[in-house]
This record gives sequence, C-alpha cells and structure tokens, in this order.
Amino acid sequence: NAGVTQTPKFRVLKTGQSMTLLCAQDMNHEYMYWYRQDPGMGLRLIHYSVGEGTTAKGEVPDGYNVSRLKKQNFLLGLESAAPSQTSVYFCASSYAPGTVQETQYFGPGTRLLVL
Amino acid sequence: TQLLEQSPQFLSIQEGENLTVYCNSSSVFSSLQWYRQEPGEGPVLLVTVVTGGEVKKLKRLTFQFGDARKDSSLHITAAQPGDTGLYLCAATYNQGGKLIFGQGTELSVKP
Repeated sequence: NAGVTQTPKFRVLKTGQSMTLLCAQDMNHEYMYWYRQDPGMGLRLIHYSVGEGTTAKGEVPDGYNVSRLKKQNFLLGLESAAPSQTSVYFCASSYAPGTVQETQYFGPGTRLLVL
Repeated sequence: TQLLEQSPQFLSIQEGENLTVYCNSSSVFSSLQWYRQEPGEGPVLLVTVVTGGEVKKLKRLTFQFGDARKDSSLHITAAQPGDTGLYLCAATYNQGGKLIFGQGTELSVKP
C-alpha cells in the first residue's frame, strides 16, 4: 500500500496563477483533509470531506476550493494564487472519524511558493 | 475558540539528556494525540490519550494526560539524534470534532 500520496512535491507560482494539488489514498478511508503548515503555527485545516461527493470548510478556507469526485482522491485548488498562500500543504485521511480512536494518515506534503 | 499551546517552541539538547514538552489548552479535551514529523515528511501519530491522568509509554517516550484533561506532556528519556524532529500535539474537543493542532516543538538532539 502506498498510503497517502500527494502531487506535485514542489511548485512555484506567480501571483494570480492557478493550480490544483492532488491527494490520493489507497486505504479506503471515508474522511480526507487538507491542511496548511506555516512556521510557528502548526497545522491548520483548510477543507475536509466526509465522503465521496461531499466537502466542508475548515478553519482557513478562503482562497481555496476542493472536490471529492472519487473516494480515493481529494483535490485542492487555488484559483488565483497569492503570496500569503506560500506554505506546505498536507493531505490526510482517516478511519473511525470523529471518535477517540481516530488516526489521521498524512501525505509527504507539497511545498508551494507564490512569488 | 479552542487554543492549544505547546512549549517550548524550540529545544536543542545533547544526546543522553532528558526533556519534557508541554501542551496546554484553554478548554477540556475529548482526546489528545501526539505526532512526530521529520523534515520533508508528514506527521506520524505516536499516541492517543483519552482518560484524565492516563500515562502511556512508547520505549523512551512517556506521555501523560492531565487529570483535568486540559494539559498533556511528552517526556523523552536519554534523547538520541534520531529523536530530532517536530513534535505536535493535537486535540479534539467533542465527539466528532476536528483535530486542533498546537504550533509544535522543534527538537534538535546533537550527538
């Protein structure tokens, strides 16, 4: 099993450009999450999905959109990138969501630089 | 709004020393998790604690959940260079709630 994979690993964008980050998991998990990680701020939830075809906003959703057309994939889109979106983006998936036994499995991250 | 604070933010020690990392909340947790993240990788779950006063051990790592369920600590005995990384605590505040992460403790263990 590959677990959680993310593409691309690294990307440089100019302000105003758009891009899509892809997350894929092969563990048949229902829940998937997108986080951003900035120095000194831990991980902040952008959007999440509780199942195929559903999405919901997290703590910092502005400037991002997501889609979950297939259970194994969760896409994060930036329509018009801004320098404030320079960050490391992590995708995660989980089983037993919302319970004390929940374990989130994280991908290796995508490093995004917006100039 | 729940706030989860970790201390210290940075820690640089010599191999063989002991250390403790703290995680404190403004509200009572439902559960508390500790993750470790190595450079260039995603966080990996170390342990979940759910009961006030609970203590769990993972080799040289000891995790404690405060009696009032508002704080937790991670103690590492005889630290090794392989312990170097970012340690994150994360809490849920109600059944079905999302994980809230602390800002992390950056640990560097020098040989």
